[in-house]
Amino acid sequence: DAKTTQPPSMDCAEGRAANLPCNHSTISGNEYVYWYRQIHSQGPQYIIHGLKNNETNEMASLIITEDRKSSTLILPHATLRDTAVYYCIVRVNFNKFYFGSGTKLNVKP
Amino acid sequence: EAGVAQSPRYKIIEKRQSVAFWCNPISGHATLYWYQQILGQGPKLLIQFQNNGVVDDSQLPKDRFSAERLKGVDSTLKIQPAKLEDSAVYLCASSLSPGGEQYFGPGTRLTVT
Repeated sequence: DAKTTQPPSMDCAEGRAANLPCNHSTISGNEYVYWYRQIHSQGPQYIIHGLKNNETNEMASLIITEDRKSSTLILPHATLRDTAVYYCIVRVNFNKFYFGSGTKLNVKP
Repeated sequence: EAGVAQSPRYKIIEKRQSVAFWCNPISGHATLYWYQQILGQGPKLLIQFQNNGVVDDSQLPKDRFSAERLKGVDSTLKIQPAKLEDSAVYLCASSLSPGGEQYFGPGTRLTVT
């Protein structure tokens, strides 16, 4: 079962930063946090992952709180093409991914 | 680099019939996953292979679902007999190693009537 809790939906204005929260209060010390997104009718796409340090790549930034009980995915300048369902996942036992229901991000012009 | 290939993209069958899905992972990826995604839900892992061996099939309904990965490359997932509740998108994913970044195929949308 998913170890994460996310809001079911969020809105964001085009060009603004999208901040997607995730709670994972039962995370263990060696469990990574992964983010994937799924655009309509496509398979999920990897975005970013981290253990305890903040991470940044060309797509997004991942901010993990010091106690590791929550994290935030930041899309710095959201575009209409970022409209998707975003999944926050805790990787369990090094190789198991449990997807929750995700957050539906609606980017509006 | 070619992505994960799946076929067919769509399939409609009647309940109690059988169906098979095919997946070709990214070349060199040792780990292969099959997920079931019911409308409105996140993907649920059915089975995970490492090369041609099963790593985890704890959520696979083994009375009707089976999967194999002969030669450690392509994989097939079969349902026999199908039930109405099997209507879903079946996603295949692969990664270089267990726990690594997963690359997903486009999925097969199954409708059981």
